[in-house]
Amino acid sequence: GENVEQHPSTLSVQEGDSAVIKCTYSDSASNYFPWYKQELGKRPQLIIDIRSNVGEKKDQRIAVTLNKTAKHFSLHITETQPEDSAVYFCAASISGGGADGLTFGKGTHLIIQP
Amino acid sequence: GAGVSQSPSNKVTEKGKDVELRCDPISGHTALYWYRQSLGQGLEFLIYFQGNSAPDKSGLPSDRFSAERTGGSVSTLTIQRTQQEDSAVYLCASSLQRAANEQFFGPGTRLTVL
Repeated sequence: GENVEQHPSTLSVQEGDSAVIKCTYSDSASNYFPWYKQELGKRPQLIIDIRSNVGEKKDQRIAVTLNKTAKHFSLHITETQPEDSAVYFCAASISGGGADGLTFGKGTHLIIQP
Repeated sequence: GAGVSQSPSNKVTEKGKDVELRCDPISGHTALYWYRQSLGQGLEFLIYFQGNSAPDKSGLPSDRFSAERTGGSVSTLTIQRTQQEDSAVYLCASSLQRAANEQFFGPGTRLTVL
């Protein structure tokens, strides 16, 4: 089955700086890669996703890049703000889930230092 | 409209007892997923429903776990003879259909087995 590795487990950046979180996946058939943000005690919420026919996607301060050959994808957050502090999870799946669901990384605890 | 809801929000039980967790997906969503999140860990996929059918139950951790969905809506996850290692947050998610990709998560049920 699919295996997703996520790094780093904890990331501390100064407010206003950029943050980058990296994930690798093992199953070349995976074609959907979402990123979820989970604040303490809250449910995971989708912040951005990318499909395998696209190399990069941006949404305001958030961008995701995908390298299918290397089987890795990254989340980039620019001009970080205190409200960006949370745990971020990457995930991979074939066509959104189905019988295999989403396979998640173990998460990155992003800390924005004032 | 209303999001995914789950009940109870918290459940404390004694080892060996059975528990039933409930998920109400977003109205009209045909795909439903159950995940488990242990403390400080990522989300572990358990089972997926398309309509009332679960094509693959191999993600369930043991035969003490079962799930059903009736009427294409509400789903229940049942854990029999609970063990301490079952303690976790159980999250439900739904999506419009499998290929729609974005999974919307419920708030979760925090299960504590004493």
